Amino acid sequence: DSGVTQTPKHLITATGQRVTLRCSPRSGDLSVYWYQQSLDQGLQFLIHYYNGEERAKGNILERFSAQQFPDLHSELNLSSLELGDSALYFCASSPRQGPTEAFFGQGTRLTVV
Amino acid sequence: AQSVTQLGSHVSVSEGALVLLRCNYSSSVPPYLFWYVQYPNQGLQLLLKYTSAATLVKGINGFEAEFKKSETSFHLTKPSAHMSDAAEYFCAVRRQMDSSYKLIFGSGTRLLVRP
Repeated sequence: DSGVTQTPKHLITATGQRVTLRCSPRSGDLSVYWYQQSLDQGLQFLIHYYNGEERAKGNILERFSAQQFPDLHSELNLSSLELGDSALYFCASSPRQGPTEAFFGQGTRLTVV
Repeated sequence: AQSVTQLGSHVSVSEGALVLLRCNYSSSVPPYLFWYVQYPNQGLQLLLKYTSAATLVKGINGFEAEFKKSETSFHLTKPSAHMSDAAEYFCAVRRQMDSSYKLIFGSGTRLLVRP
């Protein structure tokens, strides 16, 4: 158990809908990273938050957004969902800004039908 | 920009045989390198990391990796494979971007262990 909690584990939704994925980092970790894992793209970095502030954006679509709350949990919002958004979404946390060691949650498997 | 390349999308070994998973990196600065393992329907678990200290890094579950600057490699090895080692393995490098860092992952190598 990495100490990073993601909910829900599985999510099935229809095209055009909006979903929210939640991540609770390890106790004391200030950084939260979101990654998308798909068969064709592999593991892609989406976005990084540190202590409530956005620090870096990767290949994140405009339909996707995220935030980190004062209690350090983070949410990834995916809207106007398309079939191609079906993937595993991982959250990772680390104590500082730079991942010298990132701890991953078990992921949320999103299926868009 | 830093990147990693994993050679071989699938590697098959017999139980008890040597495991060798290959990773080559590209970096203009001393890299921070990682190996992660992903078991079916699980998240990624850190096996080991190289952060410019000892070039031979020992990790969990009997795995180790050697940083070779001259070959720009960071291959993962285990002397004797166990059935429970069957999983997907990812090599990663830390890349700086803006005021942050992110992990850049290789495409992964699926390890199959034959009885």
